[in-house]
Amino acid sequence: ELKVEQNPLFLSMQEGKNYTIYCNYSTTSDRLYWYRQDPGKSLESLFVLLSNGAVKQEGRLMASLDTKARLSTLHITAAVHDLSATYFCAVSHNYGQNFVFGPGTRLSVLP
Amino acid sequence: DAGVTQSPTHLIKTRGQQVTLRCSPKSGHDTVSWYQQALGQGPQFIFQYYEEEERQRGNFPDRFSGHQYPNYSSELNVNALLLGDSALYLCASSALAGGETQYFGPGTRLLVL
Repeated sequence: ELKVEQNPLFLSMQEGKNYTIYCNYSTTSDRLYWYRQDPGKSLESLFVLLSNGAVKQEGRLMASLDTKARLSTLHITAAVHDLSATYFCAVSHNYGQNFVFGPGTRLSVLP
Repeated sequence: DAGVTQSPTHLIKTRGQQVTLRCSPKSGHDTVSWYQQALGQGPQFIFQYYEEEERQRGNFPDRFSGHQYPNYSSELNVNALLLGDSALYLCASSALAGGETQYFGPGTRLLVL
Protein backbone atom coordinates (compact mmCIF):
# COMPACT_ATOMS: atom_id res chain seq x y z
CA GLU A 1 0.00 0.00 0.00
CA LEU A 2 1.36 3.37 -1.01
CA LYS A 3 1.76 5.77 1.90
CA VAL A 4 2.91 9.36 1.86
CA GLU A 5 4.36 11.19 4.82
CA GLN A 6 5.22 14.84 5.21
CA ASN A 7 7.19 16.71 7.80
CA PRO A 8 6.82 18.93 9.47
CA LEU A 9 3.04 18.96 9.71
CA PHE A 10 3.05 22.48 11.07
CA LEU A 11 5.62 25.14 10.32
CA SER A 12 5.76 28.66 11.61
CA MET A 13 8.52 30.78 10.17
CA GLN A 14 9.54 34.39 9.94
CA GLU A 15 9.55 36.36 6.76
CA GLY A 16 12.89 36.29 5.00
CA LYS A 17 13.90 32.88 6.33
CA ASN A 18 14.52 29.69 4.40
CA TYR A 19 13.01 26.30 5.15
CA THR A 20 12.41 22.87 3.64
CA ILE A 21 9.35 20.63 3.70
CA TYR A 22 9.98 16.91 3.27
CA CYS A 23 7.81 14.32 1.56
CA ASN A 24 8.53 10.59 1.87
CA TYR A 25 6.63 7.85 0.09
CA SER A 26 6.65 4.14 0.73
CA THR A 27 6.73 2.44 -2.68
CA THR A 28 7.78 3.20 -6.21
CA SER A 29 5.62 5.74 -7.93
CA ASP A 30 5.75 7.34 -11.34
CA ARG A 31 5.04 10.98 -10.54
CA LEU A 32 5.23 13.30 -7.61
CA TYR A 33 3.14 16.44 -7.25
CA TRP A 34 3.11 19.43 -4.99
CA TYR A 35 -0.09 21.36 -4.36
CA ARG A 36 -0.99 24.43 -2.38
CA GLN A 37 -4.30 24.93 -0.58
CA ASP A 38 -5.49 28.16 0.99
CA PRO A 39 -8.06 27.94 3.79
CA GLY A 40 -11.50 27.06 2.47
CA LYS A 41 -10.20 26.83 -1.09
CA SER A 42 -9.38 24.10 -3.57
CA LEU A 43 -5.94 22.79 -4.48
CA GLU A 44 -3.58 24.68 -6.77
CA SER A 45 -0.97 22.72 -8.68
CA LEU A 46 2.60 23.87 -8.03
CA PHE A 47 4.94 21.26 -9.49
CA VAL A 48 4.99 17.88 -11.23
CA LEU A 49 8.21 15.90 -10.88
CA LEU A 50 8.65 13.00 -13.24
CA SER A 51 12.13 11.58 -12.85
CA ASN A 52 14.99 11.11 -10.45
CA GLY A 53 16.93 14.30 -9.91
CA ALA A 54 14.16 16.49 -11.27
CA VAL A 55 14.23 20.03 -9.95
CA LYS A 56 11.64 22.71 -10.61
CA GLN A 57 11.49 26.28 -9.40
CA GLU A 58 8.78 28.90 -9.36
CA GLY A 59 9.43 32.13 -7.53
CA ARG A 60 10.47 31.41 -3.96
CA LEU A 61 9.59 27.71 -4.16
CA MET A 62 11.83 24.95 -5.45
CA ALA A 63 10.93 21.27 -5.56
CA SER A 64 13.22 18.30 -6.07
CA LEU A 65 12.84 14.55 -6.35
CA ASP A 66 15.09 11.67 -5.32
CA THR A 67 13.36 8.49 -6.44
CA LYS A 68 16.02 6.23 -4.94
CA ALA A 69 15.40 7.68 -1.49
CA ARG A 70 11.68 8.06 -2.23
CA LEU A 71 11.99 11.63 -1.08
CA SER A 72 10.88 14.97 -2.40
CA THR A 73 11.64 18.35 -0.90
CA LEU A 74 9.93 21.70 -1.22
CA HIS A 75 12.36 24.46 -0.39
CA ILE A 76 11.16 27.92 0.53
CA THR A 77 13.55 30.80 0.01
CA ALA A 78 13.15 34.14 1.79
CA ALA A 79 9.59 33.42 2.86
CA VAL A 80 6.89 36.05 2.53
CA HIS A 81 3.46 36.17 4.18
CA ASP A 82 1.70 35.31 0.90
CA LEU A 83 3.22 31.84 1.07
CA SER A 84 1.12 31.00 4.14
CA ALA A 85 -1.01 28.00 3.14
CA THR A 86 -1.14 24.22 3.44
CA TYR A 87 1.20 22.35 1.11
CA PHE A 88 0.46 18.81 0.01
CA CYS A 89 2.63 16.36 -1.81
CA ALA A 90 0.99 13.52 -3.72
CA VAL A 91 2.27 10.52 -5.63
CA SER A 92 0.60 8.53 -8.35
CA HIS A 93 0.56 4.92 -9.43
CA ASN A 94 -0.06 3.58 -12.88
CA TYR A 95 0.39 6.91 -14.61
CA GLY A 96 -2.25 8.82 -12.76
CA GLN A 97 -4.74 6.11 -11.95
CA ASN A 98 -4.43 6.48 -8.22
CA PHE A 99 -3.26 9.52 -6.36
CA VAL A 100 -2.20 9.31 -2.73
CA PHE A 101 -1.82 12.57 -0.83
CA GLY A 102 0.29 13.31 2.18
CA PRO A 103 -1.28 14.83 5.30
CA GLY A 104 -0.16 18.32 4.37
CA THR A 105 2.19 20.86 5.94
CA ARG A 106 0.47 23.92 7.33
CA LEU A 107 2.83 26.84 6.79
CA SER A 108 2.45 30.14 8.56
CA VAL A 109 4.82 32.97 7.65
CA LEU A 110 4.96 35.62 10.32
CA PRO A 111 6.02 39.24 9.73
CA ASP B 1 -11.13 28.58 -20.91
CA ALA B 2 -13.21 27.44 -17.93
CA GLY B 3 -11.40 25.32 -15.45
CA VAL B 4 -12.95 22.48 -13.51
CA THR B 5 -16.40 23.36 -12.25
CA GLN B 6 -18.43 21.69 -9.54
CA SER B 7 -21.98 22.01 -8.29
CA PRO B 8 -23.40 22.67 -5.86
CA THR B 9 -20.88 24.62 -3.78
CA HIS B 10 -22.52 23.77 -0.47
CA LEU B 11 -25.02 21.15 0.57
CA ILE B 12 -26.72 20.16 3.81
CA LYS B 13 -28.28 16.71 4.15
CA THR B 14 -29.49 14.50 6.96
CA ARG B 15 -28.34 11.00 7.82
CA GLY B 16 -29.71 8.32 5.54
CA GLN B 17 -30.33 10.64 2.62
CA GLN B 18 -28.70 10.42 -0.77
CA VAL B 19 -26.69 13.09 -2.54
CA THR B 20 -25.42 13.71 -6.07
CA LEU B 21 -22.48 15.98 -6.78
CA ARG B 22 -21.56 17.13 -10.26
CA CYS B 23 -18.32 17.99 -12.02
CA SER B 24 -17.38 19.38 -15.42
CA PRO B 25 -13.76 18.84 -16.38
CA LYS B 26 -11.35 21.36 -17.81
CA SER B 27 -11.55 21.69 -21.58
CA GLY B 28 -9.47 19.02 -23.29
CA HIS B 29 -9.48 16.69 -20.29
CA ASP B 30 -11.06 13.26 -20.46
CA THR B 31 -10.34 11.82 -17.03
CA VAL B 32 -12.16 12.76 -13.83
CA SER B 33 -11.16 11.80 -10.30
CA TRP B 34 -13.07 12.36 -7.08
CA TYR B 35 -11.61 12.99 -3.65
CA GLN B 36 -12.97 13.39 -0.15
CA GLN B 37 -11.18 15.87 2.10
CA ALA B 38 -12.11 15.88 5.76
CA LEU B 39 -11.32 18.98 7.76
CA GLY B 40 -7.62 19.28 8.46
CA GLN B 41 -6.66 16.25 6.37
CA GLY B 42 -5.32 15.54 2.93
CA PRO B 43 -7.63 14.51 0.10
CA GLN B 44 -8.54 10.82 -0.04
CA PHE B 45 -8.94 9.24 -3.46
CA ILE B 46 -12.44 7.89 -4.08
CA PHE B 47 -12.35 6.80 -7.73
CA GLN B 48 -11.38 7.81 -11.23
CA TYR B 49 -13.42 7.71 -14.44
CA TYR B 50 -12.19 7.46 -18.00
CA GLU B 51 -14.22 6.63 -21.10
CA GLU B 52 -17.32 6.34 -18.93
CA GLU B 53 -15.79 3.51 -16.91
CA GLU B 54 -14.51 3.42 -13.35
CA ARG B 55 -10.80 2.97 -13.90
CA GLN B 56 -9.54 2.83 -10.34
CA ARG B 57 -11.11 2.94 -6.90
CA GLY B 58 -9.84 3.91 -3.47
CA ASN B 59 -10.85 2.43 -0.16
CA PHE B 60 -14.44 3.65 -0.07
CA PRO B 61 -17.61 1.59 0.44
CA ASP B 62 -20.12 0.84 -2.29
CA ARG B 63 -22.32 3.64 -0.97
CA PHE B 64 -20.05 5.83 -3.07
CA SER B 65 -20.73 5.46 -6.77
CA GLY B 66 -20.12 7.51 -9.83
CA HIS B 67 -20.80 8.06 -13.44
CA GLN B 68 -19.12 9.71 -16.39
CA TYR B 69 -21.01 10.99 -19.40
CA PRO B 70 -19.88 11.08 -23.04
CA ASN B 71 -19.02 14.78 -22.66
CA TYR B 72 -16.62 13.73 -19.83
CA SER B 73 -18.64 15.36 -17.07
CA SER B 74 -19.09 13.25 -14.00
CA GLU B 75 -21.31 12.66 -10.99
CA LEU B 76 -20.54 11.36 -7.54
CA ASN B 77 -23.42 9.70 -5.71
CA VAL B 78 -23.41 8.88 -2.03
CA ASN B 79 -26.21 6.78 -0.56
CA ALA B 80 -27.28 6.30 3.04
CA LEU B 81 -25.33 9.31 4.24
CA LEU B 82 -23.46 9.09 7.53
CA LEU B 83 -22.28 11.93 9.75
CA GLY B 84 -18.73 10.97 8.80
CA ASP B 85 -19.43 11.74 5.16
CA SER B 86 -19.31 15.44 6.00
CA ALA B 87 -16.34 16.77 4.05
CA LEU B 88 -15.17 18.79 1.09
CA TYR B 89 -15.59 16.75 -2.09
CA LEU B 90 -13.12 17.64 -4.77
CA CYS B 91 -13.25 16.78 -8.42
CA ALA B 92 -10.05 16.80 -10.46
CA SER B 93 -9.61 16.43 -14.19
CA SER B 94 -6.64 15.45 -16.28
CA ALA B 95 -5.73 14.28 -19.74
CA LEU B 96 -5.02 10.56 -19.80
CA ALA B 97 -2.13 11.04 -22.18
CA GLY B 98 0.52 10.85 -19.44
CA GLY B 99 2.60 13.53 -17.80
CA GLU B 100 -0.41 15.69 -17.05
CA THR B 101 -1.18 16.96 -13.63
CA GLN B 102 -4.64 17.00 -12.14
CA TYR B 103 -6.52 20.28 -11.96
CA PHE B 104 -8.92 20.58 -9.09
CA GLY B 105 -12.34 22.18 -8.97
CA PRO B 106 -13.49 24.46 -6.16
CA GLY B 107 -15.16 21.58 -4.33
CA THR B 108 -18.55 20.87 -2.83
CA ARG B 109 -18.81 21.20 0.91
CA LEU B 110 -21.21 18.58 2.26
CA LEU B 111 -22.59 18.73 5.77
CA VAL B 112 -24.53 15.73 7.06
CA LEU B 113 -26.68 16.38 10.14
